[in-house]
Amino acid sequence: DIQMTQSPSSLSASVGDTVTITCRASQSINIYLNWYQQKPGKAPKILIYAASNLQSGVPSRFSGSGSGTDFTLTISSLQPEDYATYYCQQSYLSPRTFGRGTEVDIK
Amino acid sequence: EVQLVESGGALVQPGGSLRLSCAASGFTFINYWMAWVRQTPGTGLEWVANIKQDGSETYYVDSVKGRFTISRDNAKTSVYLQMNSLRAEDTAMYFCARVKYYDSRLYYFDNWGQGALVTVSS
Repeated sequence: DIQMTQSPSSLSASVGDTVTITCRASQSINIYLNWYQQKPGKAPKILIYAASNLQSGVPSRFSGSGSGTDFTLTISSLQPEDYATYYCQQSYLSPRTFGRGTEVDIK
Repeated sequence: EVQLVESGGALVQPGGSLRLSCAASGFTFINYWMAWVRQTPGTGLEWVANIKQDGSETYYVDSVKGRFTISRDNAKTSVYLQMNSLRAEDTAMYFCARVKYYDSRLYYFDNWGQGALVTVSS
């Protein structure tokens, strides 16, 4: 199975900060990488698919980049509603595996 | 508005069985693959199974093969997960999700239900 490693596992940031989360795949996955946001007690929500495509309705302060094994999710100008846990997921090979998540909390 | 509503979560003894249901509405159900994804505090998010629009293809994570069966009823716009020979490690929140294809290979889960809690314990 492809292992997805996220870093950091948690971070603290202030409103207005730029936040960067990284995700590394154990083998090349081209651009087959998705990002989800999950708030406590809620289901995950798709933010970005195919490494850099913003899902409809998601604010433009979210962006994704990368290809091969290394990927980045960037949140520009962090907003109060962005405090959540973020997961990457590869869609290159079955089983489609997720990272362990990055919790973004208030500094 | 797309809605996915799971039901059937419960406390069940090891070795027991349980059937989860997911009622879908707000979209043309027959046009989409559907999936089950589970989440535990220990192992995080894990894709469990997928089913094709007409039910002719199904796929499973290795840990549930031979024990779980995904199915669907397009007339009832519902998808199901029959879970047999349950183990403690199957304890999780189970989410029903709609599968959205970007190309022939990449897909993502673009809509999720609220989840159904399955606890396997004696």
